[in-house]
Amino acid sequence: DTGVSQDPRHKITKRGQNVTFRCDPISEHNRLYWYRQTLGQGPEFLTYFQNEAQLEKSRLLSDRFSAERPKGSFSTLEIQRTEQGDSAMYLCASSLSVGRVHEQFFGPGTRLTVL
Amino acid sequence: QKEVEQDPGPLSVPEGAIVSLNCTYSNSAFQYFMWYRQYSRKGPELLMYTYSSGNKEDGRFTAQVDKSSKYISLFIRDSQPSDSATYLCAMSVGDSWGKLQFGAGTQVVVTP
Repeated sequence: DTGVSQDPRHKITKRGQNVTFRCDPISEHNRLYWYRQTLGQGPEFLTYFQNEAQLEKSRLLSDRFSAERPKGSFSTLEIQRTEQGDSAMYLCASSLSVGRVHEQFFGPGTRLTVL
Repeated sequence: QKEVEQDPGPLSVPEGAIVSLNCTYSNSAFQYFMWYRQYSRKGPELLMYTYSSGNKEDGRFTAQVDKSSKYISLFIRDSQPSDSATYLCAMSVGDSWGKLQFGAGTQVVVTP
């Protein structure tokens, strides 16, 4: 399978714990995006990278959230001191920024439940 | 007020009918307009995109953009039960897509 992969697919944690998610983009895609989707809503942009540089962060990304893409390949999203409001689907997408059309391909998501 | 508004539905239609979906937006800087389909427990997948105003057709799907009214539409002809999904409109500013601004999604159910 050469699509975007995310791990884990599901995570249940207790309030106050730290969690880390991983995203592996499509090979050779230089852009990687993180979105959050809650029930009945569309995905909300969190942050994106071009290669290893983090180019934009949403104000939704509080100090408890940190994302990295150390070698311009896979990315991790860490949430510290989780809160019940963090419960959501965390989606990763990747794209190749060549030309004008930069289609974003989405992974299956990591569903986080904070108890 | 959200930048992109979309009726969440659900929208139920009989098989073979035309499905009509739409979104309105407030940011006149949006230039790229996309429609994504999302099946339950899956990530969104791109159906179509349109640059600026105009129409675009791809098989049973037609996308329309009216920038003067800040209104976009997606039509699905000859709908099939396999078209049952949530349809998300998305928009971006500038030439490189970058971050996407999504609508809430409309759930479509096509009944045999």
